Amino acid sequence: DTGVSQDPRHKITKRGQNVTFRCDPISEHNRLYWYRQTLGQGPEFLTYFQNEAQLEKSRLLSDRFSAERPKGSFSTLEIQRTEQGDSAMYLCASKADENQPQHFGDGTRLSIL
Amino acid sequence: KQEVTQIPAALSVPEGENLVLNCSFTDSAIYNLQWFRQDPGKGLTSLLLIQSSQREQTSGRLNASLDKSSGRSTLYIAASQPGDSATYLCAVSGDSGYALNFGKGTSLLVTP
Repeated sequence: DTGVSQDPRHKITKRGQNVTFRCDPISEHNRLYWYRQTLGQGPEFLTYFQNEAQLEKSRLLSDRFSAERPKGSFSTLEIQRTEQGDSAMYLCASKADENQPQHFGDGTRLSIL
Repeated sequence: KQEVTQIPAALSVPEGENLVLNCSFTDSAIYNLQWFRQDPGKGLTSLLLIQSSQREQTSGRLNASLDKSSGRSTLYIAASQPGDSATYLCAVSGDSGYALNFGKGTSLLVTP
């Protein structure tokens, strides 16, 4: 059990560029979550997968945000046409079943120039 | 919409003190409640998970209680140490049991 892994740890990009983040959950965890955290705030839920099915995506911040989990293992979060307000920490979490805790990765910090 | 509030926002105590962090939530129809610790620039570390049917959970020097009817939880830390310095976050999941709604956290500083 190596924990939830996120890549990259830091991403700096210019406004208007597209960015993609990767999350590798704990092996055999079929539930995967994406959150966004800004300074001084708690994480904000974005989307949720059970295996490869995206069961909740209404909380994605805009249609510029999309997420995939094509084979039910790793997941990617993409932000198109980035804006200054997208600067934040993007966190991924996974868990084994409904009665288990969510385990978080160390996040990807996005900075928009 | 579920609102989670944590009081105090910041706390500074000398080493060795026992302390209590408070969390309140507006909708009592929760599935479970989880306490996390977050160190600067890092992700969240799960401390304790309390199911909606439980009243408390303990792990080492940590004890978390849940009073679902009044919408409150407390995290008790015994014999605090400088290594306990971090931000502590409370989060609740609703009936569907998936999305966590977080408070803003309590920033704890334990001084030697």
